[in-house]
Amino acid sequence: EDKVVQSPLSLVVHEGDTVTLNCSYEVTNFRSLLWYKQEKKAPTFLFMLTSSGIEKKSGRLSSILDKKELFSILNITATQTGDSAVYLCAVEAAGTASKLTFGTGTRLQVTL
Amino acid sequence: NAGVTQTPKFRILKIGQSMTLQCTQDMNHNYMYWYRQDPGMGLKLIYYSVGAGITDKGEVPNGYNVSRSTTEDFPLRLELAAPSQTSVYFCASRQGLRDEQYFGPGTRLTVT
Repeated sequence: EDKVVQSPLSLVVHEGDTVTLNCSYEVTNFRSLLWYKQEKKAPTFLFMLTSSGIEKKSGRLSSILDKKELFSILNITATQTGDSAVYLCAVEAAGTASKLTFGTGTRLQVTL
Repeated sequence: NAGVTQTPKFRILKIGQSMTLQCTQDMNHNYMYWYRQDPGMGLKLIYYSVGAGITDKGEVPNGYNVSRSTTEDFPLRLELAAPSQTSVYFCASRQGLRDEQYFGPGTRLTVT
């Protein structure tokens, strides 16, 4: 059974801090790992990491994938209150519909 | 494009009632998915479809049914609502297996 474990479960930081969110996984026939940001509604896509793209960056957010050690990290630098959200990690197995298995998420709160 | 739309946004059901959660996408995506998210948890896959007329079970299909008569619509049916089905339901779609999933805004369902 595919499995995704995220840590920490939650954290509180001050605006301007840098945070690192962790995601470890076990999946048969790995295709990709995805990061989503979830505020009060639907998850919104951040990054997709695959064998051919193990490092992604967008503004203050960046992510790397270590396929050997089976984990990924999501970094957020110079955090802002708008970064407060639940960050979900999901892994995708190769197959008919490439189903996603999600972790439980890391709840990030950025305070002033 | 409206993207992925879901109706209703909220619903309260009594035990044993039935209802259909509607999901429509206007992006001509082949793949569609139904997830449920319980409080403090990640998303779990209920059913998915790889195209019109083709559906298959996900991780937690019991108590639900789906159909996919058109590319655009992927309704989720609850036949005999139970308190364990209290959750937030998300529909998602994607064009191809190398593309991200786009999520609808969700339906919050309470069964009492």
